[in-house]
Order: sequence, then C-alpha cells, then structure tokens
Amino acid sequence: GIQVEQSPPDLILQEGANSTLRCNFSDSVNNLQWFHQNPWGQLINLFYIPSGTKQNGRLSATTVATERYSLLYISSSQTTDSGVYFCAVEYSSNTGKLIFGQGTTLQVKP
Amino acid sequence: GAGVSQSPSNKVTEKGKDVELRCDPISGHTALYWYRQSLGQGLEFLIYFQGNSAPDKSGLPSDRFSAERTGGSVSTLTIQRTQQEDSAVYLCASRNQGTQYFGPGTRLTVL
Repeated sequence: GIQVEQSPPDLILQEGANSTLRCNFSDSVNNLQWFHQNPWGQLINLFYIPSGTKQNGRLSATTVATERYSLLYISSSQTTDSGVYFCAVEYSSNTGKLIFGQGTTLQVKP
Repeated sequence: GAGVSQSPSNKVTEKGKDVELRCDPISGHTALYWYRQSLGQGLEFLIYFQGNSAPDKSGLPSDRFSAERTGGSVSTLTIQRTQQEDSAVYLCASRNQGTQYFGPGTRLTVL
C-alpha cells in the first residue's frame, strides 16, 4: 500500500519563528489534506490541497503531486500552534478514505 | 453550523463487554468514515459509508467490529467482546466536496 512519511517527527520552536513541515507519499494520490490535532485531540482541517498552493493567514501549503510531496509552512508561530500536524492522502477515488502519516509534533515555546 | 458530534466522549468498559459508539455527521454529508487512533498504530481507517451502505469495510480489524448507518445520518460503531487492544480513540468524519471534517472522538478504555 501507499506510504506517507512526515518530517520532522518532532519540532520545537520559539514563538515568532517560522517552520516547514514535509509530507512525502509513495504513489499517486487523488487528494491530500493537512490537519492540526490540538492538545484536546480535535482534528482540525487546515487545507484540502491535492495540488498547487493555498494560504490561510499565517499558514500556507504547497503540494507538488508530480514529485509526490507536500509542504506546510507556519509563519510567526504562536503557542496555540502547538500540537500534532498530520498529512493524509486519499489513495482511492472510489471511497475517499484517508491514509495518514505519523504526524509532526510541534511545540511552540513562549 | 454544527460540526460532527460523537458520543460518549469517554467510555471505560471491562474486557468482554460490548460497546456502542455514536456519530452524528454534519447535516447533508452523505459520506461518513470511522477511524481509530492508537499509540502504536497511528490513525487508521476502519469503514466508509455512502448513504446507508458500507462499500468499504476493509479497515475493520476483526469480526467483533461492526457498524451501521440509518437514515443517511447517524452511525453506530459496535465492538463486541471488547479486548484490551481495542483501547483507542475512535474518530468519525463526514465529507463534503473532498474535505473530511472530524468529530472530537470517543476515547475507549478496556480494562
């Protein structure tokens, strides 16, 4: 089956710093989503981005489907950005089920 | 509007008991998914519903697990004869135009 790898596994930042999270996938995908899991466990949808670039405030994402990777940029990080960031890919067009990476755990220190 | 809701938020049960977990998707979303999040396995797909039918049950780990959906809305995930390895957070999601929206999850602890 498809492999979804995220890097780095852990990241510690000082408030105000910028960061880039990476997601590599081993096969062609139909769609890709980025999620933030907050400390209470809620998965919050950040981006639906099968290709191209999107921006939402301090966050932006780029997916290069032909090269099988996606990047999530966090600028001017805040303590509320702490949590786990997941990349998930839709591998089957028939069901839409998501295959998740193992996540990047981000800690932003004040 | 209201998001995906799940109940209960926490469930503690004894090994061998049956449990039912409920999911209320976002109104109008015809696609519904169950996932499981555990420390060792990460986030795993369990089952997919389109309307009331389940064309993909490939993620259900054993025949102790079953799910149904009625009226194209509420879904129930049932685990029979629970085992300690069933302890996990069970997440439900509904989908609209490609984007999946997740509920807060049910944390299941099997003693």
